[in-house]
Order: sequence, then structure tokens, then C-alpha cells
Amino acid sequence: SQKIEQNSEALNIQEGKTATLTCNYTNYSPAYLQWYRQDPGRGPVFLLLIRENEKEKRKERLKVTFDTTLKQSLFHITASQPADSATYLCALESYGQNFVFGPGTRLSVLP
Amino acid sequence: EAQVTQNPRYLITVTGKKLTVTCSQNMNHEYMSWYRQDPGLGLRQIYYSMNVEVTDKGDVPEGYKVSRKEKRNFPLILESPSPNQTSLYFCASSQTWVGMGNSPLHFGNGTRLTVT
Repeated sequence: SQKIEQNSEALNIQEGKTATLTCNYTNYSPAYLQWYRQDPGRGPVFLLLIRENEKEKRKERLKVTFDTTLKQSLFHITASQPADSATYLCALESYGQNFVFGPGTRLSVLP
Repeated sequence: EAQVTQNPRYLITVTGKKLTVTCSQNMNHEYMSWYRQDPGLGLRQIYYSMNVEVTDKGDVPEGYKVSRKEKRNFPLILESPSPNQTSLYFCASSQTWVGMGNSPLHFGNGTRLTVT
């Protein structure tokens, strides 16, 4: 069966460190993978999109990798700050099909 | 300001009393969708629409209806709400229909529905 997993429900790290979040999937062939940030009581906000033929994408302190062989995406936040504390969702998109979201990882950056 | 607007933000109702949650976007997006979010289950798609008068079921459509008479509006209708429809609901839109990877989803701020 199809499944999307994100490494852990919650992740705590110290301010200034690099946070690494994992998105693993099985029985999907995504053409695109997206990462969203969700704050409590708010709708998800788009962060980054990476295509199946791209290995890495960067935006300021954010970096996403996509390994279609391992069926995994890694989402990194460098020099993390308490303001980065939120839930992060990965979403898969296959050609002609709708988004499927992972369950999310709640990140807490401790000062 | 480009946005997706949902109303109401909070809604408490009783079993069986019909309700409508409105959703409007001002970005001229073709694609719109409704999701519900429940603890431990993540975001699940209820219905989606690729354009005016074109709607289709998502993963959890039972107990819901939608309509897309105008491009900007995509209301979610619960004809006879039940307690298992207590959830956080999100409307989202995208410039083109998903599967093309051309644009991300823009979400509203959610409607927290409680059915007693």
C-alpha cells in the first residue's frame, strides 16, 4: 500500500544547530515533492518544491534533497532559530494525480 | 493581498443541522480543494475542483458536498453533520490543476468545526 512517513512526530534541537527532517514514501512515483510549514491554528504555507530530476534545492537557510532511489527527501534548516518552530509537512505530487501529504513533524527550536 | 478566505473560523453545531463553510480566493486560480486535518491522520482531501462546474471526490468525501459555480468560490456543504465530522477544515487553491507541478497550494486559515 502507499505510505508517506515523516521521521518523527516531534523533533527538538538547540538554536543555531541544523534541523534535518525526513520524508520517506513507498509505492509512489512522485514527479514533485513539496515542503510546507504549518503554525498552530493556521493553514500550511508553501516553502520549497523539488522535481524528480533535481537532487537539491536551496532557499536562504532551507535546503531540500530528493533521492528517488531511496524514496526519500531531506529538509534542512541551517542556523535554526526559535521562530522556525512549527510543524513541517511534505507533500507528494504525481503526474495527473492530487497531492498527498505526510503526517508532519513538529519542530521545536530551543533557545 | 492574494489570499484564500474561509468562513467561519470556528463553528459549533448539532448533529443533523445543515451547514456551509465558505471559501473564496482572489488569485484567479483554476484548482481548489478541501481538506480535513485530524490528529495522527494528517491532511486528507475531501473534494477538489479543477475548474468551474468540475468537481471530483478526494479520499474522504462521504458526508460532504461541494459546488463550483464561480471560479473564486468553492463552498463545502455538510447536509447532515455528525460528530465524526468534528475536525479542522482547510480550503486551498492552486493556479493550475495539480499534477503539473506548476504552482503550490495556497491555504486558507482553517475552520474548526465541532459537531455535538
